[in-house]
Amino acid sequence: SQKIEQNSEALNIQEGKTATLTCNYTNYSPAYLQWYRQDPGRGPVFLLLIRENEKEKRKERLKVTFDTTLKQSLFHITASQPADSATYLCAPWSGGGNKLTFGTGTQLKVEL
Amino acid sequence: DVKVTQSSRYLVKRTGEKVFLECVQDMDHENMFWYRQDPGLGLRLIYFSYDVKMKEKGDIPEGYSVSREKKERFSLILESASTNQTSMYLCASSLTGRDEQYFGPGTRLTVT
Repeated sequence: SQKIEQNSEALNIQEGKTATLTCNYTNYSPAYLQWYRQDPGRGPVFLLLIRENEKEKRKERLKVTFDTTLKQSLFHITASQPADSATYLCAPWSGGGNKLTFGTGTQLKVEL
Repeated sequence: DVKVTQSSRYLVKRTGEKVFLECVQDMDHENMFWYRQDPGLGLRLIYFSYDVKMKEKGDIPEGYSVSREKKERFSLILESASTNQTSMYLCASSLTGRDEQYFGPGTRLTVT
């Protein structure tokens, strides 16, 4: 069955460092992969979308990579700030149908 | 500014009650979704709709039904609420299946 894996353990980093979050998927080949941010008690907010033919996508301090051979996407936040503390969800889209499947998310904590 | 609104932020109901959760979007999106989110389980899709009066079951439809009489409104119905339906319920909409989803603020439902 299709599976999405994100590190369930919180990632703690120091302010100013680069945070790297991982999304691994098995048993399917997504055409797109999306990343969302979720703050406690709120709905997720879309951040970036990367297509299978794109190796890398950037938006301000955010960078996403998509390696279809490794079946993995990496999400980087450079020069991290305490305001970046949140849970980050990945959501591959397999190319058919109307629904996304979300990973369980990784909590990022950026400390001063 | 695009917006998805949900009828209540917090709701407390008794076991056996019929519960209605309403969601409205103002973006003229074709697709609307209902998820529930529980600690450690992530976002799980209950139902989605790709057009007025059209619906499809998600991953966990048991105990729920939905209604979409107008394009902008998507309702989730708990026919007979049970304690295991205590959860955060999130509504989302998107233009197409591969596009980013816009989420509402969520309804935290407690069934006692």
